[in-house]
Amino acid sequence: GALVYQYPRRTICKSGTSMRMECQAVGFQATSVAWYRQSPQKTFELIALSTVNSAIKYEQNFTQEKFPISHPNLSFSSMTVLNAYLEDRGLYLCGAWTGGSEVFFGKGTRLTVV
Amino acid sequence: GQQVQQSPASLVLQEGENAELQCNFSSTATQLQWFYQSPGGSLVSLLSNPSGTKHTGRLTSTTVTKERRSSLHISSSQTTDSGTYLCAIDPNYNQGKLIFGQGTKLSIKP
Repeated sequence: GALVYQYPRRTICKSGTSMRMECQAVGFQATSVAWYRQSPQKTFELIALSTVNSAIKYEQNFTQEKFPISHPNLSFSSMTVLNAYLEDRGLYLCGAWTGGSEVFFGKGTRLTVV
Repeated sequence: GQQVQQSPASLVLQEGENAELQCNFSSTATQLQWFYQSPGGSLVSLLSNPSGTKHTGRLTSTTVTKERRSSLHISSSQTTDSGTYLCAIDPNYNQGKLIFGQGTKLSIKP
């Protein structure tokens, strides 16, 4: 079946350090991959969207300098949170689209900054 | 900008009762999806319903596109239905860019 794996599930980093998280689509060919963040007491915000044959597009308030994304192909994507601070804590979700309206989300990476 | 408003913010029911969740959005949505977020945070797609009525199991979603609203009905609720239900729209079909509402936190008491 179609699944999206995210790693790690939970991570703790010291304020000012960086951490990398990964996302892998298994069982289907992803046509779009999006990274979202759910901050405490907030809903999901889109960080960036990668579409086949297009450059990565970052949303307002999120930059490549802060959240660099690498994806050798749309089945695998990694995102780094550089210089993480308290406001960066939350649940980071990766979603992969199949080409239609169907989307699969990973279980997320929960980032705690101390 | 695009906004998605969900109501109620929270809902507490006894097991067996029916739940009705609402979603209103501020502009045209080419796609509308309902998601379930478990207490642990995992997000699962429940229904994709940009218009009309769709059923799956105990879930029924009705979307009235011209009125920019959608509802999710859960019949005969169970304790395992507890969690947060999120409505999300995609203003540009198939672009993979979802705008989420704040969610409805549902608690089902035994």
